[in-house]
Amino acid sequence: GNSVTQMEGPVTLSEEAFLTINCTYTATGYPSLFWYVQYPGEGLQLLLKATKADDKGSNKGFEATYRKETTSFHLEKGSVQVSDSAVYFCALSDYGGATNKLIFGTGTLLAVQP
Amino acid sequence: DAGITQSPRYKITETGRQVTLMCHQTWSHSYMFWYRQDLGHGLRLIYYSAAADITDKGEVPDGYVVSRSKTENFPLTLESATRSQTSVYFCASSVPGQDDIQYFGAGTRLSVL
Repeated sequence: GNSVTQMEGPVTLSEEAFLTINCTYTATGYPSLFWYVQYPGEGLQLLLKATKADDKGSNKGFEATYRKETTSFHLEKGSVQVSDSAVYFCALSDYGGATNKLIFGTGTLLAVQP
Repeated sequence: DAGITQSPRYKITETGRQVTLMCHQTWSHSYMFWYRQDLGHGLRLIYYSAAADITDKGEVPDGYVVSRSKTENFPLTLESATRSQTSVYFCASSVPGQDDIQYFGAGTRLSVL
């Protein structure tokens, strides 16, 4: 079945460092891919998405490119801030059945130190 | 713009008790979902619903019951709570055809003693 694998955390960085969080997927067909972010004590919110191969999703300085050849959707940011500290989830859309569902990775905790 | 609200935010209960977690959305989204979040597992789908009176099992449905008599409400009931159901529960909703984006509530932290 479809699945998502993302790098384990925690990832600890200093402010202004470069961030990469790896995400790879297994899927039949052509799913949409997502990054969600969960700030402490809150629910998940969509960070960015890509719906087809070679699409680049971007938001708040974060970027991820849908790479079909490597089945990857790595999250990157050039210069992280303390306020980026959160848990990041990679997800893909699962079209099996009558309702489109999302399959999530296990999440990666990012801690940014001043 | 209330969005999607979950209640209670925190709940402590005892083994064997029945507990109901509430989820209410103001957008009239057709799809609604219940997840549990556990360390090392990420989010796992418990139940989902395509519309009022249409529900289906997700990945981990055992021990849970849902209903959806109205589009805006999707309560999750633990019929006889167990310690393994200690978790953070999230409700989400989405609109069919809108790129599968799901919108999440703030969560309910449940502790079963």
